[in-house]
Amino acid sequence: GDSVTQMEGPVTLSEEAFLTINCTYTATGYPSLFWYVQYPGEGLQLLLKATKADDKGSNKGFEATYRKETTSFHLEKGSVQVSDSAVYFCAPGYQKVTFGIGTKLQVIP
Amino acid sequence: DGGITQSPKYLFRKEGQNVTLSCEQNLNHDAMYWYRQDPGQGLRLIYYSQIVNDFQKGDIAEGYSVSREKKESFPLTVTSAQKNPTAFYLCASSRGTDTNFGPGTRLLVL
Repeated sequence: GDSVTQMEGPVTLSEEAFLTINCTYTATGYPSLFWYVQYPGEGLQLLLKATKADDKGSNKGFEATYRKETTSFHLEKGSVQVSDSAVYFCAPGYQKVTFGIGTKLQVIP
Repeated sequence: DGGITQSPKYLFRKEGQNVTLSCEQNLNHDAMYWYRQDPGQGLRLIYYSQIVNDFQKGDIAEGYSVSREKKESFPLTVTSAQKNPTAFYLCASSRGTDTNFGPGTRLLVL
């Protein structure tokens, strides 16, 4: 089945720093790839997605590119804010999405 | 607005008691899922259903049961056989690549 490896956190950054959260996956075929964000005490929200190779998903200043050759979908943001503090989940999947362990991001002023 | 609702937000279970967590969606999604999240850990799949009256076990189904009598509803029962039920439970639904999550239910054992 599908699986995902995500960098462990917590990741602590100062405001306006550059963010990268690594994600690699294994899957049969070519799944869609997702990044979800979870704020404290809440459910998950879709942050961005890419449905085929070389697609770039983007939202709220976050970006991730579907790299089939390296089976990766790294999340990046050029300048993080305190409000970005949350847990981020990388997830490949067709109809049944598989989740990584999540990476907790803490942004300090 | 379409979405997924989960109730209650907090649920307390006594020893030996079965409790049922509600999940309802009005998105007309065919597939529904239950995940368990423990502190500092990722999401683990408990059960999922691709269609009404059909469901499959996920990775950690022991001690749980589900039903899917209606497309909109996918309740999860935490039975007394689940010895460590304290966790945050998330329900999700999907159609194609679009997956939506509910706000979660936190289950605590008294």
